[in-house]
Amino acid sequence: QQPVQSPQAVILREGEDAVINCSSSKALYSVHWYRQKHGEAPVFLMILLKGGEQKGHEKISASFNEKKQQSSLYLTASQLSYSGTYFCASAAGGTSYGKLTFGQGTILTVHP
Amino acid sequence: EPEVTQTPSHQVTQMGQEVILRCVPISNHLYFYWYRQILGQKVEFLVSFYNNEISEKSEIFDDQFSVERPDGSNFTLKIRSTKLEDSAMYFCASSTGVIYEQYFGPGTRLTVT
Repeated sequence: QQPVQSPQAVILREGEDAVINCSSSKALYSVHWYRQKHGEAPVFLMILLKGGEQKGHEKISASFNEKKQQSSLYLTASQLSYSGTYFCASAAGGTSYGKLTFGQGTILTVHP
Repeated sequence: EPEVTQTPSHQVTQMGQEVILRCVPISNHLYFYWYRQILGQKVEFLVSFYNNEISEKSEIFDDQFSVERPDGSNFTLKIRSTKLEDSAMYFCASSTGVIYEQYFGPGTRLTVT
């Protein structure tokens, strides 16, 4: 079952913050976040493993609450280059560590 | 920085024809994957491959599909008899380990007419 992302779309002005949520009805081993620009490949942002960790680099960070089976991506002081579709992807573990199930995506648009 | 590469970037084929999509994963990676993305939709897992065999495949990956690592660098996806609904962007990805991040290639846009 695919993870569910919210919101479906976000419109920001440069410098504003955004949060994208990802939840799953299945137990998760890991959550991966990707950004995809139109016509391009998904670009890896970060991976969070079972253990409830939080990660970040510069202005993009993420958290993973394995008990709630939820992850959130935090974008602070957004830049024009942040525009794109953000996908969370989950791996269930067991024999499926490498099989990523992608959410439906959140379209982020940053205006000047 | 090492990258996953894919060829061709765009393939047009007629329904019923066979196509082979090619990928060169990052050189020290051991796990290889194929995903597809129908225009405007989410990315869907097709198959994972490790140690010269399929680790896992999705319900999409039926008998029309096969994967191969014919040499030490290439990883291929073959679709034996293409259908209109196979039209999509096909992404190859690779990772160093099964629980590590997957790096995606630029994709091959397959158009079946």
